[in-house]
Amino acid sequence: AQSVAQPEDQVNVAEGNPLTVKCTYSVSGNPYLFWYVQYPNRGLQFLLKYITGDNLVKGSYGFEAEFNKSQTSFHLKKPSALVSDSALYFCAVRDRSADKLIFGTGTRLQVFP
Amino acid sequence: DAGITQSPRYKITETGRQVTLMCHQTWSHSYMFWYRQDLGHGLRLIYYSAAADITDKGEVPDGYVVSRSKTENFPLTLESATRSQTSVYFCASSPVADEQYFGPGTRLTVT
Repeated sequence: AQSVAQPEDQVNVAEGNPLTVKCTYSVSGNPYLFWYVQYPNRGLQFLLKYITGDNLVKGSYGFEAEFNKSQTSFHLKKPSALVSDSALYFCAVRDRSADKLIFGTGTRLQVFP
Repeated sequence: DAGITQSPRYKITETGRQVTLMCHQTWSHSYMFWYRQDLGHGLRLIYYSAAADITDKGEVPDGYVVSRSKTENFPLTLESATRSQTSVYFCASSPVADEQYFGPGTRLTVT
């Protein structure tokens, strides 16, 4: 069965510092991995995805994520956080044999000035 | 306007009433999905559809009914609303069951 874990309910970081939001996954085969962001009272917005190829994936708003097969992780990163990055972040996984995503429970990112 | 829309945006209903949440997309995406978002649970899939007239259960389908007679519409019906169905409901669409595009959500309160 597919599953996703986001071990941190909240991550706090100072503006200008690097940020990491953690995600680990479990699938039976090779995964498709995604990150989404949700701002208050809005739907989720796609940030980036890993399908195949380079383990470092670059996405919207300066975010990137690193696929690590041995650790079954797909952590979201940004070199320099902005206050406007404060939002709820969701990791999601899809087994290549399935046609639906499984979402994690979300991590709230707070960036302080 | 192009995109994915949901209506109503806010709804208050009473226990036992039937409620239908509407979802409409203009991209002609094959896939459409219904999720509910609850604190501590993240997003949970209720039902999804791979094409018109094809629907499948997700993680939490009990108490919900869907239909998809047209590609662009995917209504979600609560046949007899319960307080446990108070939630924020999101519709999403996708061309290939990959990257999904989400609507703005419907906040439903069952009293």
